[in-house]
Formats: sequence, C-alpha cells, structure tokens
Amino acid sequence: GDSVTQMEGPVTLSEEAFLTINCTYTATGYPSLFWYVQYPGEGLQLLLKATKADDKGSNKGFEATYRKETTSFHLEKGSVQVSDSAVYFCALSRGVNDYKLSFGAGTTVTVRA
Amino acid sequence: EAGVTQFPSHSVIEKGQTVTLRCDPISGHDNLYWYRRVMGKEIKFLLHFVKESKQDESGMPNNRFLAERTGGTYSTLKVQPAELEDSGVYFCASSQAQSYEQYFGPGTRLTVT
Repeated sequence: GDSVTQMEGPVTLSEEAFLTINCTYTATGYPSLFWYVQYPGEGLQLLLKATKADDKGSNKGFEATYRKETTSFHLEKGSVQVSDSAVYFCALSRGVNDYKLSFGAGTTVTVRA
Repeated sequence: EAGVTQFPSHSVIEKGQTVTLRCDPISGHDNLYWYRRVMGKEIKFLLHFVKESKQDESGMPNNRFLAERTGGTYSTLKVQPAELEDSGVYFCASSQAQSYEQYFGPGTRLTVT
C-alpha cells in the first residue's frame, strides 16, 4: 500500500538557519504530494503541494520539488523564523476517485531566537 | 467564514466507556474525512463521507467505531466500548469537492485510561 516516510525529529534550529526535512514515498501511479503544517493549538494547514513530477510547490518561503526518480518530496526553507516552529507532515493522495491522504509521522521543528 | 470545528477538544474516559466526537465541516463542503494520529505516529485515514453517504470506510479499525453524518452536515464518530489503544488525536477535514484542498479541524485529543 501507499506509505510516506519522513525524517524523524525533533529538529531544533537557530533563527535564520537552513531547514530541510526529508520525505520519501511509496505509491503506485502518480500521486499528488503535499506538505501540511500544524502550529501549536491549531489544525493542519496545507503548506504546499505538487501534482506531477518535477513540479515545485512553494509557499511562505518553503519549497519542495516532486522527484519521481527518487520518490522524494523534501521540504526546504533557506532562513527559518521562530514563527516556523510547528509540526510538519508530508502526505500523498492517489487522486482519481481516491483523495484520502496518507501521511508521514510528522517532524517537530523548533526554531530558537 | 468559519473553519472546521471539532468538539470536544479533549476527552478523558475510562476503558469500556463510550465517547462521541463531533465534527462540523465548513458550510457547503460535501466531503468530510476522519483521520487519527495515535501515539505521535503517522496520521491515518479512517473514513470519507460524500454528503451523508460513506464513500470509503476502509480505514475504520474495527466495529467499535461508528461514524454518521445525518443530513450531510455535521458528523459524529462514536467509539463504543473504548479501548486503551484508541487514545490519540482525531482529526476531521472537509473539502468542497474530492479533488480540492482538505481543510482540517484542530482535532479532538482522546485519552482512554
């Protein structure tokens, strides 16, 4: 079945540091890929997505590129802020009448001033 | 516009008791999903409603879980009787159409003692 593996946390960074969270997936066909973020006390929010190979999703300074050859969708941000402290989830959906999301375990990121 | 709301935010019950979780989707969203995250692991899909019909309930763990969506508006998820392994955070999400973004609620943290 479909699965998503993302790097384990927690990750602690200083402000303005570079952040990367690795995500790889196993799925048949051409799934859509997502990064969701959960800020403290809130629900999950869609951060960015990519629907086909070589697509790059970007939002709020975060980027991730859909790499079919390596089945990866790594999340990156060049300069993090304290407000980026959150739990980040990588996810996929098959699409085509099956839009349920399959998530990774989540990575907790803490950014210190 | 109000987002997805869930009630209660936290529930603590004893093993063998019954608990009912409620989700109010965004108005006009026909699609409603339930997910849960157990013990800091990955978020797993439970089921998907389209209006009042169950489109996909492949993720429901066993027959102690009963989900309903009467009238195609809010949904309830009942756990009866609750077991220790049911502890976790239960998320609800809704979307206007199946291929559209899923908007998540803040979750209900269920603790079974």
